[in-house]
Amino acid sequence: AAGVIQSPRHLIKEKRETATLKCYPIPRHDTVYWYQQGPGQDPQFLISFYEKMQSDKGSIPDRFSAQQFSDYHSELNMSSLELGDSALYFCASSLVVTGGLIEQYFGPGTRLTVT
Amino acid sequence: GQQLNQSPQSMFIQEGEDVSMNCTSSSIFNTWLWYKQDPGEGPVLLIALYKAGELTSNGRLTAQFGITRKDSFLNISASIPSDVGIYFCATRRGSQGNLIFGKGTKLSVKP
Repeated sequence: AAGVIQSPRHLIKEKRETATLKCYPIPRHDTVYWYQQGPGQDPQFLISFYEKMQSDKGSIPDRFSAQQFSDYHSELNMSSLELGDSALYFCASSLVVTGGLIEQYFGPGTRLTVT
Repeated sequence: GQQLNQSPQSMFIQEGEDVSMNCTSSSIFNTWLWYKQDPGEGPVLLIALYKAGELTSNGRLTAQFGITRKDSFLNISASIPSDVGIYFCATRRGSQGNLIFGKGTKLSVKP
C-alpha cells in the first residue's frame, strides 16, 4: 500500500539559510500534520492542515510556515535556520470520515542538520 | 499542559521474555495509540484503542485502554530481536487530532 512520502530524506543547511521540506500524503487522505523530533525526544506537533486550510497549530516557530496545496501535498518552509532546528521532521496524514478520522500514518521523515 | 507519563524509560530483556509498558495521564482521553519507531524512521502505528476497558491484540502485541480513561498498557509476548526499538504511547489532543506522545520506552532484546 502507498505510504506517506517525504523529501528530501536528508538535508544539510547552514545557519540563517532557508529550507523547504515536502510531504506527499497517502492517496485520498485529506489531513496533513507536521511534527518535529529532537534527538532522544518524542515527536512534537507543529502544524496541521485539513482540506488545504490550517486546522491546528502547535509549537511552530514564527520562522516556519507551511501550506497544503490543491493536490494535498504539503510543504514546510523554514527560514533563518538555527542550530536548534536540527531534528527529524515528520509528516503524517489521515482521513476524516463520518464519526471520526482514520489514524495518522507517518512518513519516514526528513533529517535536517544545521551547521 | 497535558502530559503522558510513560514507563519504563528503557528495558533490556532476553529473547523470548514478555514485556510490559504503560502510559498514564492526569487527563481523560478518548483514544490511546501505541506506535513503534525504529532509528531514523517514522513511528509506525501498532494498536489503536477507542473505548474504556477495550483490550486489543495485534499478533504478539496486546494493549488495553484503562477503565478510568487515564491510562493504557502494552504487552509484547515472546519477544524477538526485531522487537527492538522505541515504543511510544500517544493520544489525540482536541478535535483536530494532533497527537501528543509519551517520552517512549526503549526496548533492547538480547538474543
